[in-house]
Amino acid sequence: AQSVTQLGSHVSVSEGALVLLRCNYSSSVPPYLFWYVQYPNQGLQLLLKYTTGATLVKGINGFEAEFKKSETSFHLTKPSAHMSDAAEYFCAVSDLEGFQKLVFGTGTRLLVSP
Amino acid sequence: SAVISQKPSRDICQRGTSLTIQCQVDSQVTMMFWYRQQPGQSLTLIATANQGSEATYESGFVIDKFPISRPNLTFSTLTVSNMSPEDSSIYLCSGQLGGPGAEAFFGQGTRLTVV
Repeated sequence: AQSVTQLGSHVSVSEGALVLLRCNYSSSVPPYLFWYVQYPNQGLQLLLKYTTGATLVKGINGFEAEFKKSETSFHLTKPSAHMSDAAEYFCAVSDLEGFQKLVFGTGTRLLVSP
Repeated sequence: SAVISQKPSRDICQRGTSLTIQCQVDSQVTMMFWYRQQPGQSLTLIATANQGSEATYESGFVIDKFPISRPNLTFSTLTVSNMSPEDSSIYLCSGQLGGPGAEAFFGQGTRLTVV
């Protein structure tokens, strides 16, 4: 069965600083990996995903993530934080064995200070 | 892409009553799912809504408590039955276009408070 671990329920950065949100996964077969963002009182929006091919994937709003199979990681980064990036971020995994169901991590709340 | 309209957006209900949440997709989606998000927590899958057949429930969720319908490829409902305060949560539906690795689109969620 798949699982996702997100280290740090809260991450605080200053505006303009590097954003790094950590995600480690467990899957017995090749995984599909996703990062979603949730703004207050809204549904989830896809930031980026990895299925196959290039291991560095770029998403919306300047975010990117790198799939590292040897480390079973899919960390999310952004070179320079903006105030509008403050939100809840969820890492998720799915695979064929799980019939495409998404399994979510516990989420990381990103706080951006001026 | 797909746009998912979910309603109601919020409701306050008396314990012992039931609430039906509707989810309408503007595209025919292959897979639809219902999630629960308890305050300050992550999303937990309740069930996979299968078109034309019974939903597939995850461990800890049962059909009598959370009956689901999916009459076609663009619509689904989730009913929260015989509610108690412990059912207070955000309920989200999602749909996926295409096969493995496809993006899941989410509704705005239904914020349910049971008093």
